[in-house]
Amino acid sequence: SAVISQKPSRDICQRGTSLTIQCQVDSQVTMMFWYRQQPGQSLTLIATANQGSEATYESGFVIDKFPISRPNLTFSTLTVSNMSPEDSSIYLCSVHLASEQFFGPGTRLTVL
Amino acid sequence: DAKTTQPNSMESNEEEPVHLPCNHSTISGTDYIHWYRQLPSQGPEYVIHGLTSNVNNRMASLAIAEDRKSSTLILHRATLRDAAVYYCILRDRGSGGGADGLTFGKGTHLIIQP
Repeated sequence: SAVISQKPSRDICQRGTSLTIQCQVDSQVTMMFWYRQQPGQSLTLIATANQGSEATYESGFVIDKFPISRPNLTFSTLTVSNMSPEDSSIYLCSVHLASEQFFGPGTRLTVL
Repeated sequence: DAKTTQPNSMESNEEEPVHLPCNHSTISGTDYIHWYRQLPSQGPEYVIHGLTSNVNNRMASLAIAEDRKSSTLILHRATLRDAAVYYCILRDRGSGGGADGLTFGKGTHLIIQP
């Protein structure tokens, strides 16, 4: 199994600022995934982060808005840039191990 | 990814069995059927998955129709802790290496009455 931690667990930010979310995994993994869960909605995949290469973004998400770093096999960051109230969501990181997907507890972001 | 259809919500009583249905009429021969659940204020967690045969684990059972166009997640004895959103997700066998993320639908909100 994999244990995933995220920092911060929650934050309240001002419009126009940026927030970097950290994700730490207790196992070395090739792929890390970032999801967004808007209020009352299901999860939407933002991007896939592979160590040593640029992240691959899903339709509707761009690198300028959600830059991702993947410096090693156990760590990744997601930055939410130039935030607006529409970015208020829970952001979750995830990894795949042995036929299962494991998820972090999420970062609850509120943008005022 | 092939689409799944689930009821928006279901209600059951504590200590009774729960059958959560999922339709996936466009499933391909290489799609695995995965179930995840999301407890309140937590990230999703894996429940069970299968390809053709029925599957059992410590959390639940998965009954798969013979034509694979539908499946049912069975919680044998629901507890209050099982109240969650349950997601039925198809994943191509080629994604077994984990290269692709999961595509979540709206899921079924399971309510457990004491």
